[in-house]
Amino acid sequence: DTEVTQTPKHLVMGMTNKKSLKCEQHMGHRAMYWYKQKAKKPPELMFVYSYEKLSINESVPSRFSPECPNSSLLNLHLHALQPEDSALYLCASSHQSGLAGAYEQYFGPGTRLTVT
Amino acid sequence: GQNIDQPTEMTATEGAIVQINCTYQTSGFNGLFWYQQHAGEAPTFLSYNVLDGLEEKGRFSSFLSRSKGYSYLLLKELQMKDSASYLCVAYNNAGNMLTFGGGTRLMVKP
Repeated sequence: DTEVTQTPKHLVMGMTNKKSLKCEQHMGHRAMYWYKQKAKKPPELMFVYSYEKLSINESVPSRFSPECPNSSLLNLHLHALQPEDSALYLCASSHQSGLAGAYEQYFGPGTRLTVT
Repeated sequence: GQNIDQPTEMTATEGAIVQINCTYQTSGFNGLFWYQQHAGEAPTFLSYNVLDGLEEKGRFSSFLSRSKGYSYLLLKELQMKDSASYLCVAYNNAGNMLTFGGGTRLMVKP
C-alpha cells in the first residue's frame, strides 16, 4: 500500500465554521507533512510531524491547528478561516530521513478548501 | 536563505526531447528531487539525486552538479500525457525540509 488518503476531497466552509481535514497512510512512515498550495504555485510547507511530534511549524496562523493522534493519522483543524485561506491542502508522508539522505514524500490527492 | 530558479513555462512537440533546468542556492543542501504534478492532482515523485551525475529512469533522466548548484530533468520521446508542471525540490537535511521551486509548466503539442 503506497497510498496517502485525504478526506474530504472538497470542503466549503464559512468564516465562523470549525472543520477538520484528515490524512491517513499505512506505509509505516514516521514523518508526515501538511502543505498549502495556491493555484499555479508550488506547495508551501505548513507543518512537519516526526514520530508523532510536531517538529516544524512554518509560522502558520493559529487558526490552523495540526494534530497527529497516531503514526498513521494526521489531522488539520480549521477555525475562523479567511477567504485567502482557500487553497488545495496536501498531506504527505515519508520515511524518517537522516543525514545520509532523504526519502521521497508521497502526497495525498489533497483537499480543495473554499472559505466563503 | 533558500532560492530555487526554474523556467515558468516550456513548450515542446510530441516525440521530441526537452530539458528543464533548475539552479538552487540553499543551506544544508543534501539532495535534489524532481516531482511531476498534473493540474488539480498531487505531486508524484520522479527522481532524487544526491551525488553528482546523471540518473536515468526510462524516458526520464535527472542530472545534478552540486558544485554548480545546478540540476536538469530530461524528458525523451515526449507524450501528450507529459504535459504537467515539473517541480525542482531541494532537500535540506535539517528537519526533513523540502524547498520547492516555482515549477515549470510543460505543454506538449502534437
